[in-house]
Amino acid sequence: GDSVTQMEGPVTLSEEAFLTINCTYTATGYPSLFWYVQYPGEGLQLLLKATKADDKGSNKGFEATYRKETTSFHLEKGSVQVSDSAVYFCALSEGEGGSEKLVFGKGTKLTVNP
Amino acid sequence: SQTIHQWPATLVQPVGSPLSLECTVEGTSNPNLYWYRQAAGRGLQLLFYSVGIGQISSEVPQNLSASRPQDRQFILSSKKLLLSDSGFYLCAWSRDRGSPLHFGNGTRLTVT
Repeated sequence: GDSVTQMEGPVTLSEEAFLTINCTYTATGYPSLFWYVQYPGEGLQLLLKATKADDKGSNKGFEATYRKETTSFHLEKGSVQVSDSAVYFCALSEGEGGSEKLVFGKGTKLTVNP
Repeated sequence: SQTIHQWPATLVQPVGSPLSLECTVEGTSNPNLYWYRQAAGRGLQLLFYSVGIGQISSEVPQNLSASRPQDRQFILSSKKLLLSDSGFYLCAWSRDRGSPLHFGNGTRLTVT
């Protein structure tokens, strides 16, 4: 079945450092790709998405590009802040009959130190 | 605007006791509804999803069940909890295929 593999954490960075969290996927069709963020003690929030090859999703300074040739959707941010500390999940969609099921990676915990 | 409510936020239950977690969505009709579990070191696992009242699909065999008695209500249940049922349970909804999921704040379940 479809699956998502993302780099294992935890990742610890200093404020203003460059962030990359790798994500690769396997899928039989043409899924949409997502990054979700989970702040401590909360549920998940959609961070950004891309629905087709070469699309770039962006939000809050984060970016990720849908690369079909490398089956990747790496998350990047040029300058992280302490408030970016959270767990980040890469996910792809698969669905039949109108339902939408997301397959998630295991999550990468990011800690940003001042 | 749409909102999703999930309760309780935390729950401690003894092994063998029953479980009922409730999730409701406001501001939309006929949403797709989901229950996910987040266990330590295992990421997010889809447990159940529903595309309509009374329509439940189970993704993994387990000690849990789900029901959708009303359009915007999704309930996760167990008759007898196991230690392995401990985890963070997340309810979510989506409008339709291709739409992102919107998550509740989760329920931290500890089975002792």
